[in-house]
Order: sequence, then C-alpha cells, then structure tokens
Amino acid sequence: DAKTTQPPSMDCAEGRAANLPCNHSTISGNEYVYWYRQIHSQGPQYIIHGLKNNETNEMASLIITEDRKSSTLILPHATLRDTAVYYCIVRVNQVEYGNKLVFGAGTILRVKS
Amino acid sequence: EPEVTQTPSHQVTQMGQEVILRCVPISNHLYFYWYRQILGQKVEFLVSFYNNEISEKSEIFDDQFSVERPDGSNFTLKIRSTKLEDSAMYFCASDRGKYSNQPQHFGDGTRLSIL
Repeated sequence: DAKTTQPPSMDCAEGRAANLPCNHSTISGNEYVYWYRQIHSQGPQYIIHGLKNNETNEMASLIITEDRKSSTLILPHATLRDTAVYYCIVRVNQVEYGNKLVFGAGTILRVKS
Repeated sequence: EPEVTQTPSHQVTQMGQEVILRCVPISNHLYFYWYRQILGQKVEFLVSFYNNEISEKSEIFDDQFSVERPDGSNFTLKIRSTKLEDSAMYFCASDRGKYSNQPQHFGDGTRLSIL
C-alpha cells in the first residue's frame, strides 16, 4: 500500500500557484519523497524529489516540513497543460529494499481558465 | 533528453495468445521495471530486473509473465497466454539503481487490449 495520503482532487486557476499537499507521517529517515504526474493515460512523468531540504527545478518546488511528515508540491504558475493526476511517493534509494515505486490514487489537479 | 521508448503503442490480441511488449530503457540505466495500469485504477508494480535477473516481483507477476533483456538495449515483457483481465496500459521504466539518487523514468506505455 502507498505510504502517503493526498487529497483526491483540487482546482486551480490558470496562472496561479498550485499547492499540492502530501502527508507521509510514517516516512523513514532514508526515504525520499518523489513527485510524479500522469497526464491522461500517458506514462508517469517525474517532477521532483527530495530528502529533507526544499528543492526547486524548472518544473516545480518541493517544500518538506522539518519533521518530514508532510510535503507540498508547488507549481508556481499553473497552466491548462498542468491538468493531471499528481502522485506523491516515498521510496528508499537502496536496492536491498527494492527500487519499485508504489503509486496511490494521487490528486487530480484541474487547472481552469 | 534521453527517454524510455515502448513499442507498440497499442496491441490488440486474442485471448489465449502470446504477446510481447518491448521497451528500450535509457542507455546508462541499470534497473528496469514493468508496471501496469488497468483503466481507471492505480499504477501497479509488476517486476524489477537487474543484472539479467528478476530482483523483485509482485503477486500479479505469475507464471504467465516473463521478462528478458535479449540484447544490450531491449527489455521485454511476455505474457504467455493472455486473459481478458490482462487488458491494461503497460509501462516500462528504468533508473540508475542502487544508491542512486536519480529518479525512475517511464515510457509512454503500451495499451494492451485482449479480445
């Protein structure tokens, strides 16, 4: 089972920031937080990941709370093309634990004009 | 930017027939994966493959399924005798594997339709 909890859906106005929350209260010290999204039935697309520090790349920012029990993905200026299912996944990056990703139901983000 | 490629994009097969789904992982990646997604459901892990052997498999990955890396670039998923319930999107993924901080990347999938 997925080790994260996300709201089932969110709406966002085009051009505004989209803030997608994720709860991962049972995260272990060596587990990373990954965010992916899936547009229609395309393959999951990697967005960003982090361990404990906040991260930013050309797509998004990831804010992880100090206790690491929750995080927020921020799309700074959402466009209609950002409408997708967003998945928050925790994973250990060591082969002994397996490298698979366990997907939950994710959050359906609808960006509206 | 390198990407995972999958062929065919859509495969229609009669129930009971064998099907092979093909993937070309990113060239410097070491771990390869198959996932599936039944319409309207979650993405589910099937199998991971490293160093020419299965490293982990799920309960879904029964004796009807097999994986192979027949050469230095391709990674295949074979379903020996397809069932109606095998109809799904099948996604291939790859990453650098052990201790790597780099993410897993996915192909755009093969839609498998069993008639």
